[in-house]
Amino acid sequence: QKEVEQNSGPLSVPEGAIASLNCTYSDRVSQSFFWYRQYSGKSPELIMSIYSNGDKEDGRFTAQLNKASQYVSLLIRDSQPSDSATYLCAVGYRYNTDKLIFGTGTRLQVFP
Amino acid sequence: EPEVTQTPSHQVTQMGQEVILRCVPISNHLYFYWYRQILGQKVEFLVSFYNNEISEKSEIFDDQFSVERPDGSNFTLKIRSTKLEDSAMYFCASRNRGDADTQYFGPGTRLTVL
Repeated sequence: QKEVEQNSGPLSVPEGAIASLNCTYSDRVSQSFFWYRQYSGKSPELIMSIYSNGDKEDGRFTAQLNKASQYVSLLIRDSQPSDSATYLCAVGYRYNTDKLIFGTGTRLQVFP
Repeated sequence: EPEVTQTPSHQVTQMGQEVILRCVPISNHLYFYWYRQILGQKVEFLVSFYNNEISEKSEIFDDQFSVERPDGSNFTLKIRSTKLEDSAMYFCASRNRGDADTQYFGPGTRLTVL
């Protein structure tokens, strides 16, 4: 059974701070990793994808992948109130199956 | 920027009725998916579709569910006889062949079964 685990939160950070969101996954054959942002009542919106160990930066967002420890994280620098949402971690398996396995999401609250 | 679109945004139906949820994937995408999200729960995979046939389906996707690509643009999910527990947000997603696994989601259809 493939599992993706996230702390449900809420994670509360002040405006301008760094928000750190974490995700662990159970299956070592996982190949691809995604962070989606989901506002209440809306659909998942892709923020970042990462496939190799290490860091990947895109604007204020940095995804970090550590396959040996089976975790992936998302850092949001200079957090803004508009970043307040639920962040979904999703894992793909590329060659074995086409589906994405989602975690339950971490709710982030950025307060002014 | 191309987007996945879905209609209707909200569908209310009586238990036992058939519903069809419609999706228009991004135009050059070849792989199509349906996911659902029950309120307060995680996004769950239902089915994937490629080359006019189902690639994979989850245990949720039983005989009450079917998918179809009736023309070159639409991708539909039919629930033949809805149950109360089918109430959820249903998301369509699509991806391109050369886009690794990146799936782009539509805005969703909220299905309410009374």
